[in-house]
Amino acid sequence: KAGVTQTPRYLIKTRGQQVTLSCSPISGHRSVSWYQQTPGQGLQFLFEYFSETQRNKGNFPGRFSGRQFSNSRSEMNVSTLELGDSALYLCASSLIGSGGNEQFFGPGTRLTVL
Amino acid sequence: AQSVTQLDSQVPVFEEAPVELRCNYSSSVSVYLFWYVQYPNQGLQLLLKYLSGSTLVESINGFEAEFNKSQTSFHLRKPSVHISDTAEYFCAVSSSADRGSTLGRLYFGRGTQLTVWP
Repeated sequence: KAGVTQTPRYLIKTRGQQVTLSCSPISGHRSVSWYQQTPGQGLQFLFEYFSETQRNKGNFPGRFSGRQFSNSRSEMNVSTLELGDSALYLCASSLIGSGGNEQFFGPGTRLTVL
Repeated sequence: AQSVTQLDSQVPVFEEAPVELRCNYSSSVSVYLFWYVQYPNQGLQLLLKYLSGSTLVESINGFEAEFNKSQTSFHLRKPSVHISDTAEYFCAVSSSADRGSTLGRLYFGRGTQLTVWP
């Protein structure tokens, strides 16, 4: 069974631009979560989607948004990029997203904002 | 809300020595506990998890962790480390209560970089 895939793996953008990251969960998984990882803040939860609905949201500004499609694939979008948005963005999928459900992580997308 | 504290940001050890990576959590509800490992330029891999039952859980590569409810701890141990264990280790918790605002969300510690020297 294929793992979680994220595209692209690396991105370089400039301030003010917007970016879209993609995540394909493991087949059959309906929950997709997004996390931001930075050296300064560690791993922070962005949001979680389940059956095309945002079920949880972390404490990030409205510039960060996401969506989930009927095939469970998910995208996250960051508008008006700031230098501080440079990070590794990790996507995780799980069967139903309950607290004890194992989350499987993708390799991440490394975003650099210049 | 839950929070996780990993007491050591870096742990250097020699090969074949024992190691313990410490993790404490705070939560107002019952929790599930996890240890994840991250190798350079990779995502997170689940090492082991505690959901219920026996408080001692083991991984296939020799790591173990013990859930201590009274001390709100979930320390990770290995009796003899190998150079290939060099990686960053993250402790995480999620709520076991069916609350929509937290369901499925993982709260991570800041990570512990384990470096094994020959």
